[in-house]
Amino acid sequence: DVQMTQSPSNLAASPGESVSINCKASKSISKFLAWYQQKPGKANNLLIYSGSTLQSGTPSRFSGSGSGTDFTLTIRNLEPEDFGLYYCQQHNEYPWTFGGGTKLELK
Amino acid sequence: EVKLVESGGGLVLPGASLKLSCIVSGFTFSDYWMRWVRQAPGKGLEFIGEIKPDGSKTNYAPSMKGRFTISRDNAKNTLYLQMNSVRSEDTATYYCVRGCTSLFDYWGQGVMVTVSS
Repeated sequence: DVQMTQSPSNLAASPGESVSINCKASKSISKFLAWYQQKPGKANNLLIYSGSTLQSGTPSRFSGSGSGTDFTLTIRNLEPEDFGLYYCQQHNEYPWTFGGGTKLELK
Repeated sequence: EVKLVESGGGLVLPGASLKLSCIVSGFTFSDYWMRWVRQAPGKGLEFIGEIKPDGSKTNYAPSMKGRFTISRDNAKNTLYLQMNSVRSEDTATYYCVRGCTSLFDYWGQGVMVTVSS
């Protein structure tokens, strides 16, 4: 199975700031990396797939980059609703695997 | 509006069986692969398995093979997860998820399963 490692595990920031979350795959997954947001009381939300393609409805302040084994989710000009947990998932090969998560907290 | 609502969770004794259900609406259920994902308390997301739109094929993560069975009833717009011989490490929130190729595009809110004596 492809192992996905996220860093940092926790991140504190203030509204208006920009943050980056990293995801590293144990082998090359080409461009096939997705990002999900998890917030209490809400269904998990697919934000980005294929490394950099925004899912319909994802605000443009979210962006994804990377290929091969190293990927980054960047959120610019943080809004209050952006605080929560973020997970990466490789969608290159079965079985689909997720990273351990990054908690984005309000500073 | 796409909705997925899980049910059937709760407190269960080690070694027992449990069947989770997920009723969906807002899309043509029989057109989509459906998946189960779980999340242990304070941990990350773990893929359990998936089932083909017509129910003819299932795939499971290697670590999940043997004790979990995924099935569906397209006439009832319902997905199932049969869990057998449950262990404490099966304690988690279980999510029903619509599959879109290799992505997980719509999620339920999850149902909690606690395995404890």
